[in-house]
Amino acid sequence: GAVVSQHPSWVICKSGTSVKIECRSLDFQATTMFWYRQFPKQSLMLMATSNEGSKATYEQGVEKDKFLINHASLTLSTLTVTSAHPEDSSFYICSARVPTGLNNEQFFGPGTRLTVL
Amino acid sequence: DQQVKQNSPSLSVQEGRISILNCDYTNSMFDYFLWYKKYPAEGPTFLISISSIKDKNEDGRFTVFLNKSAKHLSLHIVPSQPGDSAVYFCAAPGEETSGSRLTFGEGTQLTVNP
Repeated sequence: GAVVSQHPSWVICKSGTSVKIECRSLDFQATTMFWYRQFPKQSLMLMATSNEGSKATYEQGVEKDKFLINHASLTLSTLTVTSAHPEDSSFYICSARVPTGLNNEQFFGPGTRLTVL
Repeated sequence: DQQVKQNSPSLSVQEGRISILNCDYTNSMFDYFLWYKKYPAEGPTFLISISSIKDKNEDGRFTVFLNKSAKHLSLHIVPSQPGDSAVYFCAAPGEETSGSRLTFGEGTQLTVNP
């Protein structure tokens, strides 16, 4: 299947700093990528839909100024958590929709564990 | 409004027996469903899907059943293996025809005991 990578796989940062997470589709081009976060023992919560060449679409309750998304190319989307605080500690997962794949099938990256001290 | 619900947070079965994971949905416009499997600290991996034109889809040990009138689907794993222990999410795409996001259920933690 299609491969999606994320970098870094984990990051620990101090409160107030910004953290950038990269999501790459390795063997296909993705016009649409999705960013999720997952708290322990909870479902995947969609944060935003990242569209190549246009602004991201954020879900209700997600601060667009805090979670900056840039879909710079057909294979790369980045999520920047600005001025991170301990409550932003979570597992962030991206996914990419395969244009020629099954109906709306998405492939997920391995996730990034963010810990804000 | 939780449009996709998995009411059982956990399920424990014995190796070799059948595992049945359930999922209910409320939006009758959903016409395609996916099951994902997720290990701790990893991203979900696609397992199996079903279109609403079918009521059953089988892939090896995994079978998904869809009951549209009841707005219910289930994932059967038989025989269950310890390596199947993971969190299973059911998901449905939205109504958009392209770039559609997925709505996930809460997930069910399956534990298969040796």
